[in-house]
Amino acid sequence: AQSVTQPDIHITVSEGASLELRCNYSYGATPYLFWYVQSPGQGLQLLLKYFSGDTLVQGIKGFEAEFKRSQSSFNLRKPSVHWSDAAEYFCAVARSRGSNYKLTFGKGTLLTVNP
Amino acid sequence: ETGVTQSPTHLIKTRGQQVTLRCSSQSGHNTVSWYQQALGQGPQFIFQYYREEENGRGNFPPRFSGLQFPNYSSELNVNALELDDSALYLCASSSSGTDEKLFFGSGTQLSVL
Repeated sequence: AQSVTQPDIHITVSEGASLELRCNYSYGATPYLFWYVQSPGQGLQLLLKYFSGDTLVQGIKGFEAEFKRSQSSFNLRKPSVHWSDAAEYFCAVARSRGSNYKLTFGKGTLLTVNP
Repeated sequence: ETGVTQSPTHLIKTRGQQVTLRCSSQSGHNTVSWYQQALGQGPQFIFQYYREEENGRGNFPPRFSGLQFPNYSSELNVNALELDDSALYLCASSSSGTDEKLFFGSGTQLSVL
């Protein structure tokens, strides 16, 4: 069965600083990988996804993620964090693509942004 | 705004009771999935419905059941509630006509006392 590990439960950065959130996955075949963001009291919003092709994917709100098969990682990055980025971030993996995919999520990383 | 609406937003129940949560999918979406998000955890897949048929189930007991209606709205039913059922329940809809994207609702916060 697939699994996702987000090693950092809570990260604090200063506004304007760079950000990297770590994600490691365990899955035998080609993974389909996602990053979601959840603001308090809200549902999940898709930031970006990786299915195949270029291992560096661009998402919304200035986020990007890099798929590294050799490290089983899919880390999320942003060059300059804004106060509005404070939220919880979830990495997820799916066994198949298409509208019927079922996601396995990590436990999340809570991001705090200091002014 | 995703177009996926869930009701109610908050609910308090007593152990042993039954609960029904509702989800209205985004227009044109024929697939709905339900996830349970316990406090401090990531969402866990409960089950998925595609064109009114169950299409996959996670590691949840049979007292978690669901329905999808012809208009693609959906219900999640939980019988014999336990304290550990307290969680945020998220509904997500999708369609093969989209770019393979799940649209999540804001969830129903269930508290079991």
